[in-house]
Amino acid sequence: EPEVTQTPSHQVTQMGQEVILRCVPISNHLYFYWYRQILGQKVEFLVSFYNNEISEKSEIFDDQFSVERPDGSNFTLKIRSTKLEDSAMYFCASSEKSAQYFGPGTRLTVL
Amino acid sequence: DQQVKQNSPSLSVQEGRISILNCDYTNSMFDYFLWYKKYPAEGPTFLISISSIKDKNEDGRFTVFLNKSAKHLSLHIVPSQPGDSAVYFCAASGGGSARQLTFGSGTQLTVLP
Repeated sequence: EPEVTQTPSHQVTQMGQEVILRCVPISNHLYFYWYRQILGQKVEFLVSFYNNEISEKSEIFDDQFSVERPDGSNFTLKIRSTKLEDSAMYFCASSEKSAQYFGPGTRLTVL
Repeated sequence: DQQVKQNSPSLSVQEGRISILNCDYTNSMFDYFLWYKKYPAEGPTFLISISSIKDKNEDGRFTVFLNKSAKHLSLHIVPSQPGDSAVYFCAASGGGSARQLTFGSGTQLTVLP
C-alpha cells in the first residue's frame, strides 16, 4: 500500500540554524500538507500546497518557514532560523481528495 | 482554540466489547470529519471519514456517526481488539478549498484482553 515517507526521522540542530525536512507524498496525490505536534499538545496545521503554490497557511507559518516541491516527488519544509519553540514532531501529509494520509514524522529538536 | 474537542482523555474497554469515542465541534463551517489512530512515534493513520451530508459511515469494525444539530460525532469500534489500543484523534475540515484539518486532543483507548 502506498505511503508517505519522511526523512530524517530525527533532526537535532542548534538554535538559529536552518533545517530542511523532507517528504515524499503518495505518488498520485495532488495536495500536500505540513502539520506539527509540540509535545503534549494537539496536532496543528502549518501549510497546504497545491499546483505548485501555497493554498492555505496558519499563523504559525511565518516568514521563517517555506515549502517547496523541488522535483516531481519531494516536498520540503524549510525553517530558516530555528528557535527553541520549533522543537516538535513535524508531519507531512498528502491527499487525492479529502482524506489526508500522514507520514511517520520528523522529530525536530532545537538546542 | 477549542474548535474540535475530545473531552475524554482515556477510555478502557474489554476485548470483544464496543468502544465508543466521542468528539464535539463548534465551527458550523466544518463539513468533513475524520478519525485517525496514532501509535507512539508514528504518524496518524487514517481510519474513516464522513461528509456532513451523511449521518453514518461504516467500514468493517469501524462506524462513524454524525449528529449535525448537536455538532457531535462518534466512532464505534466493534468488536474491540487489543491491537486497537492507541490514541484516537478526531479531525475536521471546512468547505471548498479549505482543506486544513483541525484536530482534537485525542483519546487514549486501551482494550483489555
